[in-house]
Amino acid sequence: NAGVTQTPKFQVLKTGQSMTLQCAQDMNHEYMSWYRQDPGMGLRLIHYSVGAGITDQGEVPNGYNVSRSTTEDFPLRLLSAAPSQTSVYFCASSYGGGAIRGPQHFGDGTRLSIL
Amino acid sequence: AQTVTQSQPEMSVQEAETVTLSCTYDTSESDYYLFWYKQPPSRQMILVIRQEAYKQQNATENRFSVNFQKAAKSFSLKISDSQLGDAAMYFCAYRRRDNYGQNFVFGPGTRLSVLP
Repeated sequence: NAGVTQTPKFQVLKTGQSMTLQCAQDMNHEYMSWYRQDPGMGLRLIHYSVGAGITDQGEVPNGYNVSRSTTEDFPLRLLSAAPSQTSVYFCASSYGGGAIRGPQHFGDGTRLSIL
Repeated sequence: AQTVTQSQPEMSVQEAETVTLSCTYDTSESDYYLFWYKQPPSRQMILVIRQEAYKQQNATENRFSVNFQKAAKSFSLKISDSQLGDAAMYFCAYRRRDNYGQNFVFGPGTRLSVLP
């Protein structure tokens, strides 16, 4: 089973560039989310989705866009990269549907550096 | 807003000894899940153990067990017979309900070192 697949694993950008982090899951999970991980701050929620066509902002949404056109895919777009967005990014998925069930399954993360 | 606190940024334990990692959380809800995740140097997030708030019995997974004190809003992780492979960052997480039905909140993490 592939689980949650994130690409790329590493990326270096210049300030002002845009890019998309890809995330796909094959577990038919309704709930998908993006986190950033910074030292001493744990994981902070950027955006999340409870199903195709439905997205919402998390704790730190500024500078990021998401869309959910299919159940499987949940890409994260950086509109104009800034050094403050240097971080490790995780995509995660879980069952949803309004009932609290089970843990999140995480991708392997993307280390993103903005110069 | 719900918060999760891990008051120990770093801890260390001798191999084969027992260590307890602390976690407290703030919520007004009665129905929720709690989790401990392990993040080794490989960066993967690995589920260690989960606890459903309505279950009074503490969850156990092999050498890992929790002490869930609902009234105190405390959820500590005990690792018995510590092994070198247990060295990692450990995150406590709370799954709550919001307008869409659920969301996760993570603590800042505790870095555990295992000494040979």
